[in-house]
Amino acid sequence: EIVLTQSPGTLSLSPGERATLSCRASQSISSSYLAWYQQKPGQAPRLLIFGASSRATGIPDRFSGSGSGTDFTLTISRLEPEDFAVYYCQQYGSAPFTFGPGTKVDIK
Amino acid sequence: QLQLQESGPGLVKPSETLSLTCTVSGGSISSNNYYWGWIRQPPGEGLEWIGSVYYSGSPYYNPSLKGRVTISVDTSRNQFSLKLTSVTAADAAVYYCARHQIQLWFIPYWGQGTLVTVSS
Repeated sequence: EIVLTQSPGTLSLSPGERATLSCRASQSISSSYLAWYQQKPGQAPRLLIFGASSRATGIPDRFSGSGSGTDFTLTISRLEPEDFAVYYCQQYGSAPFTFGPGTKVDIK
Repeated sequence: QLQLQESGPGLVKPSETLSLTCTVSGGSISSNNYYWGWIRQPPGEGLEWIGSVYYSGSPYYNPSLKGRVTISVDTSRNQFSLKLTSVTAADAAVYYCARHQIQLWFIPYWGQGTLVTVSS
């Protein structure tokens, strides 16, 4: 099973700042099959990025994904008030398909 | 617009069977291109993929659930269901139903989720 580790656990930033979230896999993820989700309290997760770097439909271009192999990054170029949430990475390169523990982005 | 809606008991006793249904609207569950799945999230914790199924069969189940899970499809009602047997407190979670493409196991479409508590 591929174990995903996300860092930091919590990221405290101000609106307008840049956020850089990391997701590291215990083994290489085939075909860069890595997705990112945003989750706000009481809501289902929302798909942001798939294939490590492709934005899902309707996702603003301030969200970008990068990486390959075992190291992946989600970048939010300028935080908007609605971006403060928990972010999860998920690998779908090999079963069982696993999620990381999440990074909380909160307001500084 | 595709919508997924979970339903079922919010309280299950330990050792009993958890049963949930997801009703699909705005799309056909019999579509050739999609799998229908369940993901859960214990309160305050992360996400766990339970399993997914194609409308005509071929289920995938997370091995961590050790044979306790069954996902089935009712095409006549445009619904799919989750059964999890022998539940314990560790099975208490928000359960989400979802849709994803065949061969692409990331999730663009989620239900709103339903909280299941395990208690006697």
